[in-house]
Amino acid sequence: SQTIHQWPATLVQPVGSPLSLECTVEGTSNPNLYWYRQAAGRGLQLLFYSVGIGQISSEVPQNLSASRPQDRQFILSSKKLLLSDSGFYLCAWSVLRTPWEQYFGPGTRLTVT
Amino acid sequence: AQKITQTQPGMFVQEKEAVTLDCTYDTSDQSYGLFWYKQPSSGEMIFLIYQGSYDEQNATEGRYSLNFQKARKSANLVISASQLGDSAMYFCAMRIIQGAQKLVFGQGTRLTINP
Repeated sequence: SQTIHQWPATLVQPVGSPLSLECTVEGTSNPNLYWYRQAAGRGLQLLFYSVGIGQISSEVPQNLSASRPQDRQFILSSKKLLLSDSGFYLCAWSVLRTPWEQYFGPGTRLTVT
Repeated sequence: AQKITQTQPGMFVQEKEAVTLDCTYDTSDQSYGLFWYKQPSSGEMIFLIYQGSYDEQNATEGRYSLNFQKARKSANLVISASQLGDSAMYFCAMRIIQGAQKLVFGQGTRLTINP
């Protein structure tokens, strides 16, 4: 069966520090991968998606970047965090045969101080 | 542009009652998909139900059903016989067909089931 992992679960970082969040998927090949951000009390906003290794599409201009170094690994990064980067970050995956379903990871709660 | 609107920020329902969570959408696409996700306090997003724009019958999954009214552009979630464990945030979402099957989410409705 497929599983998706995210780490860390929680993170407190000072303004101006770098960020690296990792997401890995097991049990499937060539998934579509997604990074979402959820601000407190709000819905999810798609940040990045990837249809393959090295292929990244950005949805909104921001202080963040994403990379996909391996088929089932998706990394969210920042060189210098801003206060506005605080939020709940969710990674998700989907496959072509069930495009109507996206499966989400447990999320990372990021607080920038 | 595609948009999802959930007008109920919060709802309170007695246990065992049925509840309807509202969702309206806006799109110019003819082919699209509508979803409902549940987010408990733990934060994970749990897929509940899916409705395709060409599906003639309303989708059902156990106690969940989707009341799809295409002309009105609404896709309300109905939970029958609510349980305490149904207390959570509920998000309606629409699938954008182009590219990597992106989802656009609504703002969510916080459902609280009272004993």
